[in-house]
Amino acid sequence: ETGVTQTPRHLVMGMTNKKSLKCEQHLGHNAMYWYKQSAKKPLELMFVYSLEERVENNSVPSRFSPECPNSSHLFLHLHTLQPEDSALYLCASSQDLSRAGVRYGYTFGSGTRLTVV
Amino acid sequence: QKEVEQNSGPLSVPEGAIASLNCTYSDRGSQSFFWYRQYSGKSPELIMFIYSNGDKEDGRFTAQLNKASQYVSLLIRDSQPSDSATYLCAPGGSYIPTFGRGTSLIVHP
Repeated sequence: ETGVTQTPRHLVMGMTNKKSLKCEQHLGHNAMYWYKQSAKKPLELMFVYSLEERVENNSVPSRFSPECPNSSHLFLHLHTLQPEDSALYLCASSQDLSRAGVRYGYTFGSGTRLTVV
Repeated sequence: QKEVEQNSGPLSVPEGAIASLNCTYSDRGSQSFFWYRQYSGKSPELIMFIYSNGDKEDGRFTAQLNKASQYVSLLIRDSQPSDSATYLCAPGGSYIPTFGRGTSLIVHP
């Protein structure tokens, strides 16, 4: 596989469930990101990891818990979510933090469409 | 964070026309910008990066950066129905860019 892979593609979960989103990148990148995209809203940055260290936590509720066991994998653990958390969750990677903003930008995964019922 | 503003549209153009998408920004220190394209239900895809005043051309796409007026634009020549998507701009120079809301472009036959 190449690029950034996200699983599952679609997820429906109840408010009391616990689930995890998975992201894997095969690009040799050192930085990984979680973004949330709700209908008619801009992309919202949630978390940033560089070499498995969290460098940004953008005021995200504790019901979202990220995990980065190595530079190729990123998880987003979900528990007791609310219906308003329904959105497209996008994982992205960049070569490193410094080069994310210069020329190369991000490579995004296909996203997980999450519905909370 | 560096803020950007985009008209959400939709911008509707006929096939073969030039589509002009604009993005204004508030941080005078912004030196570079990205343009991403996002098809409905898909993830954003990087299509252009511009880091200097003036124009940058790549095929049918031309990005224009005007630092004095603080806007960046994307021109799509000979627009095709396959160009129908949402176009997002984001400032470079930071590992945590603030994306604009995106402009929806519809190219009708």
